[in-house]
Amino acid sequence: RKEVEQDPGPFNVPEGATVAFNCTYSNSASQSFFWYRQDCRKEPKLLMSVYSSGNEDGRFTAQLNRASQYISLLIRDSKLSDSATYLCVVRLNTGFQKLVFGTGTRLLVSP
Amino acid sequence: EAQVTQNPRYLITVTGKKLTVTCSQNMNHEYMSWYRQDPGLGLRQIYYSMNVEVTDKGDVPEGYKVSRKEKRNFPLILESPSPNQTSLYFCASSLLAVDALRNEQYFGPGTRLTVT
Repeated sequence: RKEVEQDPGPFNVPEGATVAFNCTYSNSASQSFFWYRQDCRKEPKLLMSVYSSGNEDGRFTAQLNRASQYISLLIRDSKLSDSATYLCVVRLNTGFQKLVFGTGTRLLVSP
Repeated sequence: EAQVTQNPRYLITVTGKKLTVTCSQNMNHEYMSWYRQDPGLGLRQIYYSMNVEVTDKGDVPEGYKVSRKEKRNFPLILESPSPNQTSLYFCASSLLAVDALRNEQYFGPGTRLTVT
C-alpha cells in the first residue's frame, strides 16, 4: 500500500464550480501535511499547509482528519487558472524525518 | 532573483553514456536535494546534501552519484544511464534541512531525461 494515495483524476469541472480532492495516508507517524500545485511539466509549488483545525486561503480550504488519516482540499469558485495537478505531501517522523509526495490529482477547469 | 537552475532542461541520450545534470542555487542555501518524478509514483528523493561535502542517499539512489564541493552547486551524475532512469528530475534547495521539512524549499524547473 502506498504511503500517500490520491485519486489521479482528472476532475473535469466548469468555471465557478466547487471541487474537492481527498488524500489518504497510511503511516500514523505522519506529522505534517501540505498541498502542492504542479502545472504541466513544471516544478511543484507549495499551495498551502494543512492544520489540524482546518485552514483557509482565499478560495482554498484544507482539512485534516487524523482519526481517518485523510486530508482534503476544497476549491470554491474554480477558475481556468486552477487547472493543474495537486499533490498531497506528508511529513513522516520514523526516526528520521522525510517528505512523502502523493502522485497527484489532476484538475481541468473548462469555460 | 532567488532561483534554482538546472541544466540541461531536456536531454535524450543512449544507454551507458555518462551524463551530468547540473543544479545551482544563488540563495546560499545549505540543504539541497534531487528528486525524480515518474507517472504513478510521485516525487521520490534520490540524494540529498546537508552542506558542503555532506551527502546522503534518499529513497532511490541506485544508479546515481552526487557531489557537493561548493555550497551553490549539487550536480547529479549518471555514470551509466539505463532506460529505467528516463524520468523528470527536480533539484531543490532550502536554507536548512528543517526548512525543507516545513516545505520552505525552492524547486528548480526540472530536467526531462530520456535514455534510449
